[in-house]
Amino acid sequence: EDQVTQSPEALRLQEGESSSLNCSYTVSGLRGLFWYRQDPGKGPEFLFTLYSAGEEKEKERLKATLTKKESFLHITAPKPEDSATYLCAVTSEETSGSRLTFGEGTQLTVNP
Amino acid sequence: DVKVTQSSRYLVKRTGEKVFLECVQDMDHENMFWYRQDPGLGLRLIYFSYDVKMKEKGDIPEGYSVSREKKERFSLILESASTNQTSMYLCASSLMGTGNQPQHFGDGTRLSIL
Repeated sequence: EDQVTQSPEALRLQEGESSSLNCSYTVSGLRGLFWYRQDPGKGPEFLFTLYSAGEEKEKERLKATLTKKESFLHITAPKPEDSATYLCAVTSEETSGSRLTFGEGTQLTVNP
Repeated sequence: DVKVTQSSRYLVKRTGEKVFLECVQDMDHENMFWYRQDPGLGLRLIYFSYDVKMKEKGDIPEGYSVSREKKERFSLILESASTNQTSMYLCASSLMGTGNQPQHFGDGTRLSIL
């Protein structure tokens, strides 16, 4: 059974204070690791897909990296508008098709 | 841009009612999904569909059914609503693939069962 664990559960940063969110996963044959951002009262918004260890993707202040056991979402010089819950999810050879297994998320608050 | 539209943002129903939640996507995606999201429990898959008239159970299908008569539309049905089905319901769609296609989500329906 695929498992995804995100840490920390909650993170408070000052504006400009860089940090990283962690997503640890246990799967049988990773097909894809996905990062989403979710604002209160809205659906998750797709950010990145990573497929293999060593891969990196960037978008504005966000950079996602992948190893064989975990992924990091690095946030550089965050702004208050980066405040949201960040979700990590995986698909694997064990699950059928495009079924995602989600972590419970990291709630990020960036104070001005 | 992918657009997944859920018919209602907020819905209030009574115990025992039959409830329909509608979802439409405009990107010709083969796959569609229904989740519920509850504090402390995360996102849980209720049902999904790979094609018209096809459906598969997710992790928590009890008390729910689905219908997919057209490729772009996926409906979630609460046969006899109960208070423990009060939740945020999220619909998603994705391209057919080998598990490497991202899912795109609607903005959710916050359903309250009284």
